Amino acid sequence: GQNIDQPTEMTATEGAIVQINCTYQTSGFNGLFWYQQHAGEAPTFLSYNVLDGLEEKGRFSSFLSRSKGYSYLLLKELQMKDSASYLCALYNYGQNFVFGPGTRLSVLP
Amino acid sequence: DGGITQSPKYLFRKEGQNVTLSCEQNLNHDAMYWYRQDPGQGLRLIYYSQIVNDFQKGDIAEGYSVSREKKESFPLTVTSAQKNPTAFYLCATRGGTYGYTFGSGTRLTVV
Repeated sequence: GQNIDQPTEMTATEGAIVQINCTYQTSGFNGLFWYQQHAGEAPTFLSYNVLDGLEEKGRFSSFLSRSKGYSYLLLKELQMKDSASYLCALYNYGQNFVFGPGTRLSVLP
Repeated sequence: DGGITQSPKYLFRKEGQNVTLSCEQNLNHDAMYWYRQDPGQGLRLIYYSQIVNDFQKGDIAEGYSVSREKKESFPLTVTSAQKNPTAFYLCATRGGTYGYTFGSGTRLTVV
């Protein structure tokens, strides 16, 4: 199976940097995705890692370490609109995504 | 623009009623999914379909049914056998760069 863990809730201040971790136990996977979901809305794609290392996309970066079994999403220069849930998901070719439980981030002024 | 249309956005069901949630896509993706999300919880897979006229149960299929008669459409029926149907329902397709593409969701409430 593919057990995925994420912290349930996090709080950070506007303008700060926050790191949201995603740990997993699995025998293998092809890629790891991060999605953002505002309350009552659909998840939207943020980032995708196939190889170990950092993928940077503006204020958002995602890191993957297969040997250590974890990924993180880094959000810089936090804005109030970043208050949302963040979901990580594992992907294998030809199989369904496996989603983590999500982390609810609250950005305070 | 290509996308996924879910309707209605809000749905109210009386006890003992069956209700059907619509999901239509024009992304030309083969795989379609239905997820349920409860407050503060992650996504749980109800049903999925890889091709037309074929679908598979997910982790929580009891009390739900689906059909896939056309590539573009994957409706979900919440039957009276589903004892706790109040939740946010998301339809998704898989394909392209972004992995999953999600519809805007239907919030179902039992009254």
